[in-house]
Amino acid sequence: AQSVTQPDIHITVSEGASLELRCNYSYGATPYLFWYVQSPGQGLQLLLKYFSGDTLVQGIKGFEAEFKRSQSSFNLRKPSVHWSDAAEYFCAVGDRGTYKYIFGTGTRLKVLA
Amino acid sequence: GAVVSQHPSWVICKSGTSVKIECRSLDFQATTMFWYRQFPKQSLMLMATSNEGSKATYEQGVEKDKFLINHASLTLSTLTVTSAHPEDSSFYICSAYRQGYNEQFFGPGTRLTVL
Repeated sequence: AQSVTQPDIHITVSEGASLELRCNYSYGATPYLFWYVQSPGQGLQLLLKYFSGDTLVQGIKGFEAEFKRSQSSFNLRKPSVHWSDAAEYFCAVGDRGTYKYIFGTGTRLKVLA
Repeated sequence: GAVVSQHPSWVICKSGTSVKIECRSLDFQATTMFWYRQFPKQSLMLMATSNEGSKATYEQGVEKDKFLINHASLTLSTLTVTSAHPEDSSFYICSAYRQGYNEQFFGPGTRLTVL
């Protein structure tokens, strides 16, 4: 079955520390890959996306993600977290034919001052 | 950029009434739009795919008679929650697929509270 797994439901880091959020997917073929951030009561904001090519993708707000085909993973990273990064993060895969998305369960990030 | 709006941003209604939510692509035409539902502290669940000029395709377990979707133009899709009940209270998010961009563009969401 097609699925997206974000193993960490909650992550707490100190401001200035590095961050890695994990995302693994199970899909028939390599899908489109996305990371979104959502603040409480708000909509989704796209952080970055992978369609093809360079497997290291740069996004907004200093985020990057690396696609690893052999591990079916698309982990999100940031070298130095800011207090404003506290939010919910969703990984999603998009079907290349139907453009339907499957979202992961989300990782809630808490940042300690 | 590609902008998608939703109206209203929040709505409160009484149990048994119907509520309509609009999703508009403001600066592009969208033959395909999607409707999601998000419960508090949970992920987004796809409810249905809305195709302009044809019937919506509903995901398994979604009641098509309860969640009526209409995609009458290339820039507008509507979701009507019929005979709403408190368990229908949720955050509803729409998105629009833009041809050539390989991605969906999301609206800001609509908070529905049914009393």
